[in-house]
Amino acid sequence: GQNIDQPTEMTATEGAIVQINCTYQTSGFNGLFWYQQHAGEAPTFLSYNVLDGLEEKGRFSSFLSRSKGYSYLLLKELQMKDSASYLCAVRDRAGNMLTFGGGTRLMVKP
Amino acid sequence: DTEVTQTPKHLVMGMTNKKSLKCEQHMGHRAMYWYKQKAKKPPELMFVYSYEKLSINESVPSRFSPECPNSSLLNLHLHALQPEDSALYLCASSQDNGRNGEAFFGQGTRLTVV
Repeated sequence: GQNIDQPTEMTATEGAIVQINCTYQTSGFNGLFWYQQHAGEAPTFLSYNVLDGLEEKGRFSSFLSRSKGYSYLLLKELQMKDSASYLCAVRDRAGNMLTFGGGTRLMVKP
Repeated sequence: DTEVTQTPKHLVMGMTNKKSLKCEQHMGHRAMYWYKQKAKKPPELMFVYSYEKLSINESVPSRFSPECPNSSLLNLHLHALQPEDSALYLCASSQDNGRNGEAFFGQGTRLTVV
C-alpha cells in the first residue's frame, strides 16, 4: 500500500520562497509527481521525479530522495496566483497506480 | 500536445438516467485513469487501464462501468447513480515506466446527481 503525508496548510508572503514537503512509504516506487490545483479546477502537472536530485522548472523546483522517502516542492518569487492546493502523488512500481497525498493548501498573502 | 480532453464539462443527471463521460488523449500514453474527487479532498483512484486492458478496479460500485475502446479513448458509463456520487470526475493519462513518465489530467466533468 501507499502512505503519503504532506502538511495540510501553509501560508507565505508574496515574493518569498516556500517549501512544501512530502514523505511517503510505499510498497513500490516508480516516480513522484507534484500537481497544482485551484479550487474547482483539475490538477495541473508541475513536476515529475524518478531519480534522486533536483528538477528545476522556472520558479518551481522539485527534489527527491528515494532512500529517505522524501520530496519537496520549492516555489520561488511567490505570486498571489500561486495560492492553491499542491498535491504530491506517487506511482507504484508497476506503473499503474498514482496515489495522492491529502494536498497542501497554500495561501499567499500580500 | 499535452492535452487530455474530457466531455462534458458539467453534467446533471437523475438517479434513473444513463449517461457516459468521455476522455481522449493523443499523446500515445498507454495508461489511462479515472479518478473521483470530492470537495477539499485529493483525487481517489477508481480505475486504471493499461494497454487498453482494465488493470485496476478500486472496488468501485458496478453503477460505474469503464470502457476503453482504443488507446486514445476512455469512457465511464453511469447508471442508477446516487446523490453521493456527485463529484468531479477526472481522467488522466501517462506513459509507462521510465524517465519521461509525466501524467496529465483532463479538466474534469463536474457531475451532479439529483
